[in-house]
Amino acid sequence: DQQVKQNSPSLSVQEGRISILNCDYTNSMFDYFLWYKKYPAEGPTFLISISSIKDKNEDGRFTVFLNKSAKHLSLHIVPSQPGDSAVYFCAASAMDAGSQGNLIFGKGTKLSVKP
Amino acid sequence: GEEVAQTPKHLVRGEGQKAKLYCAPIKGHSYVFWYQQVLKNEFKFLISFQNENVFDETGMPKERFSAKCLPNSPCSLEIQATKLEDSAVYFCASSQSGKNEKLFFGSGTQLSVL
Repeated sequence: DQQVKQNSPSLSVQEGRISILNCDYTNSMFDYFLWYKKYPAEGPTFLISISSIKDKNEDGRFTVFLNKSAKHLSLHIVPSQPGDSAVYFCAASAMDAGSQGNLIFGKGTKLSVKP
Repeated sequence: GEEVAQTPKHLVRGEGQKAKLYCAPIKGHSYVFWYQQVLKNEFKFLISFQNENVFDETGMPKERFSAKCLPNSPCSLEIQATKLEDSAVYFCASSQSGKNEKLFFGSGTQLSVL
């Protein structure tokens, strides 16, 4: 059963507008969440992360929001740029004694930003 | 090095042949992770190392798959007697501390089993 879910396989946004990518998780032990961006034929590159003690983390145009009660996080990109077109993966890990801190990934959302 | 280096970029094997993939982590990183991505789907964790020691191998198939990280050598992932379903992109990643820290990924090895 998928522990990290990205229910939208794709998203299309106009340049300059906001992109909102969503992610849901089922494991309440997850306490660290990350977003990765992936271009074709390249490995994922780290974008932004958030610890479960926070509900928001911002880095330039990228903001991640965490709603622990809903087990939901989202990535906001504003303003969106054509260079942001990529597949975005949500990932989570748990730091409990039984976990080795492996990242569990969602299936990704392909973002297309149109000029 | 400044980035995770994976070789080869592409590997084609006939069913039943052996495949060996290599990964050099970022210098100073103690943890190495291997992930498998099938059909551009989610990343499946295979195994992780803390230096040359297996840290977590809960994702490794019991048969045919093995991995090593030896001192002063690239880490390796080996698949004996490859099957069609082993066709995937295999990503290696490294980190400094291993827990709740971002992983730095290589560009992957595309394995095609024919």
